[in-house]
Amino acid sequence: GNSVTQMEGPVTLSEEAFLTINCTYTATGYPSLFWYVQYPGEGLQLLLKATKADDKGSNKGFEATYRKETTSFHLEKGSVQVSDSAVYFCALTTYSSASKIIFGSGTRLSIRP
Amino acid sequence: DTAVSQTPKYLVTQMGNDKSIKCEQNLGHDTMYWYKQDSKKFLKIMFSYNNKELIINETVPNRFSPKSPDKAHLNLHINSLELGDSAVYFCASSLAEGAAEAFFGQGTRLTVV
Repeated sequence: GNSVTQMEGPVTLSEEAFLTINCTYTATGYPSLFWYVQYPGEGLQLLLKATKADDKGSNKGFEATYRKETTSFHLEKGSVQVSDSAVYFCALTTYSSASKIIFGSGTRLSIRP
Repeated sequence: DTAVSQTPKYLVTQMGNDKSIKCEQNLGHDTMYWYKQDSKKFLKIMFSYNNKELIINETVPNRFSPKSPDKAHLNLHINSLELGDSAVYFCASSLAEGAAEAFFGQGTRLTVV
């Protein structure tokens, strides 16, 4: 079946450090891939997405590239800020899993000033 | 102006009680969801509706009964609450089944004592 695996947290970094959160997926067909972010006490919101191989999604300084050959969609940011502290979820949808967004287990990110 | 709103935000109740959580979206979306987030932040889909029709019921106990009076509303009723039902419940909506970005409500933190 379809699934998403992302690196376990928590991840703690200093402000201005480089961030990578790994995400790999298993899917039949051609999935669309997403990163969602959940700030404390809030619901999830879409951070970025990519709908086909080699697409790069980007938003707020975050980037992720859809790599079909390695079935990965790693999230990166060159210089993190305290305000980036949140839980990050990798997710996918496919035509065969219509009406269901499949989420990874989430990675908690904490940024020290 | 809130896109997806759910009420109440917090719900504390005793075991055995029956409670409801309401969800409304003003985005004109056809598809709505209920997700359960446990204490480790893991997100699990419970139900998906498309145009008031049930699409997904992910092996949720039949104490949980969703009701969609129209496509802008998807309420969740829970009978005979158990301690294990304590979690954060998120309502979400998307434009179409599966492929599109989902918009989440702020969550309802349910505590069963």
